[in-house]
Amino acid sequence: AQTVTQSQPEMSVQEAETVTLSCTYDTSESNYYLFWYKQPPSRQMILVIRQEAYKQQNATENRFSVNFQKAAKSFSLKISDSQLGDTAMYFCAFMKRGEYGNKLVFGAGTILRVKS
Amino acid sequence: DTGVSQDPRHKITKRGQNVTFRCDPISEHNRLYWYRQTLGQGPEFLTYFQNEAQLEKSRLLSDRFSAERPKGSFSTLEIQRTEQGDSAMYLCASSLGGPVAFFGQGTRLTVV
Repeated sequence: AQTVTQSQPEMSVQEAETVTLSCTYDTSESNYYLFWYKQPPSRQMILVIRQEAYKQQNATENRFSVNFQKAAKSFSLKISDSQLGDTAMYFCAFMKRGEYGNKLVFGAGTILRVKS
Repeated sequence: DTGVSQDPRHKITKRGQNVTFRCDPISEHNRLYWYRQTLGQGPEFLTYFQNEAQLEKSRLLSDRFSAERPKGSFSTLEIQRTEQGDSAMYLCASSLGGPVAFFGQGTRLTVV
């Protein structure tokens, strides 16, 4: 079974600064995806960024980038130029590649507060 | 709105009552998932449909829980004889077979 651990229950950052959220996972699979999802207060969860395990290059989406360390089973999210709208719960998630049930295994989440 | 839609958004029920939630996935999405999220935790997988077939159920889905997806379109999740431990946010997500799932806003259930 896969597990995802987010060791930072809460983080805060000043507007325009950079913050890094940590995530580690445990799996015996070699072929999988990793994701960061954002859940704003009272709003639906949306995908921030995804990484395919076979790709060595770290994924980047505008102000969001990841540091994927496959051997260490680490997958951190860096948010640059933080904005007030980035305030949300952030979930790291794992998905095994396969034919059926591409279900997500989530960490417990990190609450990020961006301060003005 | 072409996103995943869930109804109701909030439900308060007395212990022992039955409740049913509905999820309308994004049109043409063949995969539909139900997750449960308790306060301060990440979502946990409950069950998964590919078209109308329920292909996987978590051990979290006790005998009191049943899910259906008739005709491969919308899905319902029913909880019979609700207990206080069932209080949670129930999330629905859909995908078109790829790795990216799109989530609804969830149904928050409170059992009193």
